[in-house]
Amino acid sequence: GQSLEQPSEVTAVEGAIVQINCTYQTSGFYGLSWYQQHDGGAPTFLSYNGLDGLEETGRFSSFLSRSDSYGYLLLQELQMKDSASYFCAVRGTGGGNKLTFGTGTQLKVEL
Amino acid sequence: SQTIHQWPATLVQPVGSPLSLECTVEGTSNPNLYWYRQAAGRGLQLLFYSVGIGQISSEVPQNLSASRPQDRQFILSSKKLLLSDSGFYLCAWSVRQGVNYIAKNIQYFGAGTRLSVL
Repeated sequence: GQSLEQPSEVTAVEGAIVQINCTYQTSGFYGLSWYQQHDGGAPTFLSYNGLDGLEETGRFSSFLSRSDSYGYLLLQELQMKDSASYFCAVRGTGGGNKLTFGTGTQLKVEL
Repeated sequence: SQTIHQWPATLVQPVGSPLSLECTVEGTSNPNLYWYRQAAGRGLQLLFYSVGIGQISSEVPQNLSASRPQDRQFILSSKKLLLSDSGFYLCAWSVRQGVNYIAKNIQYFGAGTRLSVL
């Protein structure tokens, strides 16, 4: 099966940079994704890594090392609106292109 | 553009009552469809997924069932709700891709149904 580990909570100040780590164990690997979820809202897609290296999308970047079964999400120039939960998700073997999600990291951005 | 509709937004049901949550997708054909449950402050647990009409895969044994009567309609049901069925239920869709294919496959989520079983 699949399992993913993330820190449960991270706190940072506005304007700072924060990194959210994710380690995974999976049978088969077809990519690591990141989703953002604000309180009471639906998860929304942020970033995807299928191969090793860094992917950059504006203030957000995501990194993957398949040999280490490890990835991270990097958020730069933090804003108050970035306060949310962040989930890593892995697609392993099996049908339906299904994802297994981590337990989530709650990011609190303070002034 | 594609949209996903999920209703109702909130639901309060007594223990032992039936449940029917509906999800519909517009603007795409042959999507993969998913039902997740999220307990408060927790991650998303995949309950069911479907790759086509009438094709349902269950991920966890439970008191719930799912059906896909039409290509873009996904229904989550229960005959008798339990207290432990309370949670935030999310429907999602994605483009169907080959299984052994490394490529971005985004899941798009509905707004969710907050179910309280009392």
